[in-house]
Amino acid sequence: GAVVSQHPSWVICKSGTSVKIECRSLDFQATTMFWYRQFPKQSLMLMATSNEGSKATYEQGVEKDKFLINHASLTLSTLTVTSAHPEDSSFYICSAGPVLFPSQQYFGPGTRLTVT
Amino acid sequence: KNEVEQSPQNLTAQEGEFITINCSYSVGISALHWLQQHPGGGIVSLFMLSSGKKKHGRLIATINIQEKHSSLHITASHPRDSAVYICAVRLQGGSEKLVFGKGTKLTVNP
Repeated sequence: GAVVSQHPSWVICKSGTSVKIECRSLDFQATTMFWYRQFPKQSLMLMATSNEGSKATYEQGVEKDKFLINHASLTLSTLTVTSAHPEDSSFYICSAGPVLFPSQQYFGPGTRLTVT
Repeated sequence: KNEVEQSPQNLTAQEGEFITINCSYSVGISALHWLQQHPGGGIVSLFMLSSGKKKHGRLIATINIQEKHSSLHITASHPRDSAVYICAVRLQGGSEKLVFGKGTKLTVNP
């Protein structure tokens, strides 16, 4: 089946630094990728929709200047958490839908971010 | 009220039992997904349904569009089935965005 990878799988950073998380579709091309965050014992919350070659669409309440999304190719989207704060500590998950079957979403394994 | 409601929130079963997890939604949808999330966090897509029934191994998913309801069944449950099962719907209108239920935590004891 289709595989989506994320890197890193976990990261610890100091408050005020920036962290970049990569999401790659390994064996298919994805026009659209989604970024979610998940707090403990809660469901996924959509942060933004990332479209290849254009600006991301952010959900209400998500700061676009804090969570920078770049979708440079059909297989790679990146999420950069800028000037991270402890409240940004969370589990970040991406998903992607194949160009030919965009309705079928494949999820990455997630990245656990801890900001100290 | 959430657009997607799951029940039960938590479910404990003995190995071998037949398990049912329910999902109800209040909006028009174009598809419904059942997802599995293990304690490590990774999410696996189990099914995508727009009508009828799908089966994969010991897992069966059904959907009734008129009643806006879907069920996920696990036959002959096993401790390795212990995970959080999440129902997510794709809204009508062409968007690929998913709206998620809060999940059902399943624990299968040996």
